[in-house]
Amino acid sequence: AQRVTQPEKLLSVFKGAPVELKCNYSYSGSPELFWYVQYSRQRLQLLLRHISRESIKGFTADLNKGETSFHLKKPFAQEEDSAMYYCAPISYNNNDMRFGAGTRLTVKP
Amino acid sequence: EPEVTQTPSHQVTQMGQEVILRCVPISNHLYFYWYRQILGQKVEFLVSFYNNEISEKSEIFDDQFSVERPDGSNFTLKIRSTKLEDSAMYFCASSETLAGLNTEAFFGQGTRLTVV
Repeated sequence: AQRVTQPEKLLSVFKGAPVELKCNYSYSGSPELFWYVQYSRQRLQLLLRHISRESIKGFTADLNKGETSFHLKKPFAQEEDSAMYYCAPISYNNNDMRFGAGTRLTVKP
Repeated sequence: EPEVTQTPSHQVTQMGQEVILRCVPISNHLYFYWYRQILGQKVEFLVSFYNNEISEKSEIFDDQFSVERPDGSNFTLKIRSTKLEDSAMYFCASSETLAGLNTEAFFGQGTRLTVV
């Protein structure tokens, strides 16, 4: 069965500290990986996609196929990064995009 | 900027009643999704839809649920006989592509369904 795991429900760091939000997946085939973010009182939106190898708002995510992980990292967290973060693999075979349980990141001043 | 819109923003219904949640995806998008989020819990995949048929559905999406794209613009989720546990925020999403550099699902603002 397709499964995506975000082990930390809550993560709290101080401003300027590094942050890593973990994501592990178990999907058949080679899914494409995404991180979505939901800021307070806003709709879910794409943060970054693996295939683009991009850095958005200072965040990067490395796909480790051996460990089936796609952890999200930022070297220096900012208060405006406080939000709910969801890891989302999508399987092309069947248009199946499921979200992890989400990690609520709080960046304290 | 085009966006996915959902109506109504809040729906209150009596247990056992049918509800239809409406979504207008972005016009050139081809892939459509419904998700739900029970208060305080994770975003759960319900169903994906492409080429006028369901591509994939989760174990939550039982016979009580159905989806339709009746007129080429709306994408609806129907719950036939609502239960208290159907109370949740329901999100619609659409995507132009399924794969590639520009793949992105755009989400609506959600419909809060309250079953009493």
